[in-house]
Amino acid sequence: QQPVQSPQAVILREGEDAVINCSSSKALYSVHWYRQKHGEAPVFLMILLKGGEQKGHEKISASFNEKKQQSSLYLTASQLSYSGTYFCGTAYNTDKLIFGTGTRLQVFP
Amino acid sequence: EAGVAQSPRYKIIEKRQSVAFWCNPISGHATLYWYQQILGQGPKLLIQFQNNGVVDDSQLPKDRFSAERLKGVDSTLKIQPAKLEDSAVYLCASSRGLGNSYEQYFGPGTRLTVT
Repeated sequence: QQPVQSPQAVILREGEDAVINCSSSKALYSVHWYRQKHGEAPVFLMILLKGGEQKGHEKISASFNEKKQQSSLYLTASQLSYSGTYFCGTAYNTDKLIFGTGTRLQVFP
Repeated sequence: EAGVAQSPRYKIIEKRQSVAFWCNPISGHATLYWYQQILGQGPKLLIQFQNNGVVDDSQLPKDRFSAERLKGVDSTLKIQPAKLEDSAVYLCASSRGLGNSYEQYFGPGTRLTVT
């Protein structure tokens, strides 16, 4: 079951904040967040594990609500470099990740 | 450390032809993944290796796709014969361990166009 991401697209001015959500219909083992710029490879941002452990970049924050089976990525004081498509990947056990359809973020000066 | 290497970066073939992609993961990474990313969509896992053994190939169209990871390092993904719907970016990724508590590092991908 592919996770659902919302919103599909976000347009921001530099310095503004944004929240990207990722929802699953099944109980989650972990949620991964990646950012992909046009024509480039996805880049790892964060992993959130069942039980509360998190691994990722210091400047990125995210939450994982196990009861609601959803995760949110918080982008604060956005910079031009934040532009790209954000994908969440969900895992229901230790097997494969299933990626969502992405949220396109554009930051303008 | 060097990242995940892939070649070629671009490939154009006609339908029914065959094509092969190569991936060299980050040194020491035990797990290797091949993903297919169709324009506008998220990556879709085709096959996952742990060292040189297959962990998951449930979404690999085995009538036309094959993959191997010799000696637990490099990997090749082959399509034979190609169909128009195979046009996509093929991403290789690697991680230190098996399971979803490890981050994945992606290569630059191979953009395949089937005409």
